Amino acid sequence: AQKVTQAQTEISVVEKEDVTLDCVYETRDTTYYLFWYKQPPSGELVFLIRRNSFDEQNEISGRYSWNFQKSTSSFNFTITASQVVDSAVYFCALSEAGTGNQFYFGTGTSLTVIP
Amino acid sequence: DAGVIQSPRHEVTEMGQEVTLRCKPISGHDYLFWYRQTMMRGLELLIYFNNNVPIDDSGMPEDRFSAKMPNASFSTLKIQPSEPRDSAVYFCASRNRQGANTGELFFGEGSRLTVL
Repeated sequence: AQKVTQAQTEISVVEKEDVTLDCVYETRDTTYYLFWYKQPPSGELVFLIRRNSFDEQNEISGRYSWNFQKSTSSFNFTITASQVVDSAVYFCALSEAGTGNQFYFGTGTSLTVIP
Repeated sequence: DAGVIQSPRHEVTEMGQEVTLRCKPISGHDYLFWYRQTMMRGLELLIYFNNNVPIDDSGMPEDRFSAKMPNASFSTLKIQPSEPRDSAVYFCASRNRQGANTGELFFGEGSRLTVL
């Protein structure tokens, strides 16, 4: 079974629109960590954020915000006032305390911001 | 600070040839990972090392693949002989020990391999 599901394969928005990327995870561990990575067209994977399972506080960093809800096993990522430079593939990932260094990546959401 | 450094960035080779991909992790990081990314299979963990020791190589596709980490600042992933289905982007990543498993992965820019 998929441990991390990113149901949105591709999203297109017009510049300045807000966009939310969905991430649903599955785990039986009580201690786990969630991550978002950005992969721009240049190909590198850039770390964006890490949350642990004990901290459900939402986080905001500039135009980026993350909504962690354990009740729905979701860790959604919102970009406010999108820009062309936000165009990339975004990956959600899960690491469980039980399996330590195994990072389970979703299949990614390709975001295109149209100028 | 220098990030994870991979070489070569691009490699085009013919089937049957040996391919060696190289990685220099971030200084001080004690975990090193090799991932493969393809359209069909996404990001796959091939192998990871802790303090230069291979811990889990269950993701290595077959005996044609081997990885080494002779010291804390260098790792190689070798494919011999290479096949067209090995064409992919190979990423190296490192992390440090912030507790057992809290640290995020830092990725290199990847090595794009094309086997003709």
